[in-house]
Amino acid sequence: EADIYQTPRYLVIGTGKKITLECSQTMGHDKMYWYQQDPGMELHLIHYSYGVNSTEKGDLSSESTVSRIRTEHFPLTLESARPSHTSQYLCASSELGWYTGELFFGEGSRLTVL
Amino acid sequence: KQEVTQIPAALSVPEGENLVLNCSFTDSAIYNLQWFRQDPGKGLTSLLLIQSSQREQTSGRLNASLDKSSGRSTLYIAASQPGDSATYLCAVGDLQGGSEKLVFGKGTKLTVNP
Repeated sequence: EADIYQTPRYLVIGTGKKITLECSQTMGHDKMYWYQQDPGMELHLIHYSYGVNSTEKGDLSSESTVSRIRTEHFPLTLESARPSHTSQYLCASSELGWYTGELFFGEGSRLTVL
Repeated sequence: KQEVTQIPAALSVPEGENLVLNCSFTDSAIYNLQWFRQDPGKGLTSLLLIQSSQREQTSGRLNASLDKSSGRSTLYIAASQPGDSATYLCAVGDLQGGSEKLVFGKGTKLTVNP
């Protein structure tokens, strides 16, 4: 079983609030990813990191930001949430990268912005 | 731009039936192809990884095939069980422009009825 955790699992907030979605893994993986998934739709990569102090934007433009100060943590922040940010956010990690097949996902954070 | 299509979008079968899920992709220059399982409200679990040089991979009752030249993959599930009910996602990986890209399909929602 993968040791990657996301909090909160569910969050309902009002427009304009600042939120941080937490992602932690205990496997010592260097590579971490954030995906966004709307119901019935594809996953889209919004951020990734190859290690401490490394962050890159993914394919899907996102108003969120990420940080990687410690290997085990990869939090995602929205400074001012809007209804268009309503979605499920999935965090994943890998030791060597997705091309090895070892990509471990958290259970997701479902965000609803009113 | 790589696009991944999964047909059908949903499938309902009686327990014990053998079934095939389909995945097609537009650009055959892929690094690998993966099949994932996603249970409702959960993250993804990797099922099978097929490298571009391989034709198929097997794990228990699951068999995945890859035909790069035609841009197609199938996931065969033998003797389906109610516990197989989930959404199955196909994802192709390529290294366009030197950066990792894992492109997902929208998934096939499978329901196995007792």
